[in-house]
Amino acid sequence: DAGITQSPRHKVTETGTPVTLRCHQTENHRYMYWYRQDPGHGLRLIHYSYGVKDTDKGEVSDGYSVSRSKTEDFLLTLESATSSQTSVYFCAIKTDRDRGNEQFFGPGTRLTVL
Amino acid sequence: QKEVEQDPGPLSVPEGAIVSLNCTYSNSAFQYFMWYRQYSRKGPELLMYTYSSGNKEDGRFTAQVDKSSKYISLFIRDSQPSDSATYLCAMSPYNFNKFYFGSGTKLNVKP
Repeated sequence: DAGITQSPRHKVTETGTPVTLRCHQTENHRYMYWYRQDPGHGLRLIHYSYGVKDTDKGEVSDGYSVSRSKTEDFLLTLESATSSQTSVYFCAIKTDRDRGNEQFFGPGTRLTVL
Repeated sequence: QKEVEQDPGPLSVPEGAIVSLNCTYSNSAFQYFMWYRQYSRKGPELLMYTYSSGNKEDGRFTAQVDKSSKYISLFIRDSQPSDSATYLCAMSPYNFNKFYFGSGTKLNVKP
C-alpha cells in the first residue's frame, strides 16, 4: 500500500468553515498528489507537490490550497468549505523513474459539506 | 472536451466471459498508459501500465495501446465475480508529473 495514510477518513462540516485534510507517507517519495473523485468525473487533480515547499496546481484547484513542509506530509486545505466540495478526496504518491513512475493511492477521505 | 474519455457503463457480464474496457484520448503527448481497479469505498489500485503501443499481458489481463488511434483497451479473460469493480484508465505525458484519468467503467461479473 506504499505506506500512505489519510486523516480524517470521514468528516462532516458546515459551509464556510475551514477544513484541512492530511496525507502522510512513510517512504520519502518526492511526488505527492491530491485528487477528488465525484460520480461521472473520475479522479480530478487538485494540486500536486514535487518536493518540500514545491507545489503546483491541477485542473480543479480553485478553493483549495496545499502545503508541504516535510517530505512525509502533504496537507490540503479548504479555506471556506462549500457544498460543491463534498467529495471523496484521495492522496497519492508517485515512485521515482527507477522504480517505474507508478502512482499509489491512499484509502480516501469522505468529506460532506452541509 | 475531456482529455480522456471512458464509457461509464455499467457493464454486466456472466462469470467466465471476456471483458473489454476502453478509453480514448486526445492529447498526443501521452506516453504512459495505466489501468486501475477500484473496489467500492476503496482507493484505486494499479493493475497494469505500459509505455508503448502494442499488447502487454499479465495473467488474465491484457492491456492494449494504439497510439495512432489514441485508443487503449483492457481485456479480462475468464472474468470472475471478484473482478466486479470500477476500472479507471489513466495517462501521463513523458515527464510523468501529472496523470489524467478517465471517469471509470463499473463492471459487474455475475456468478
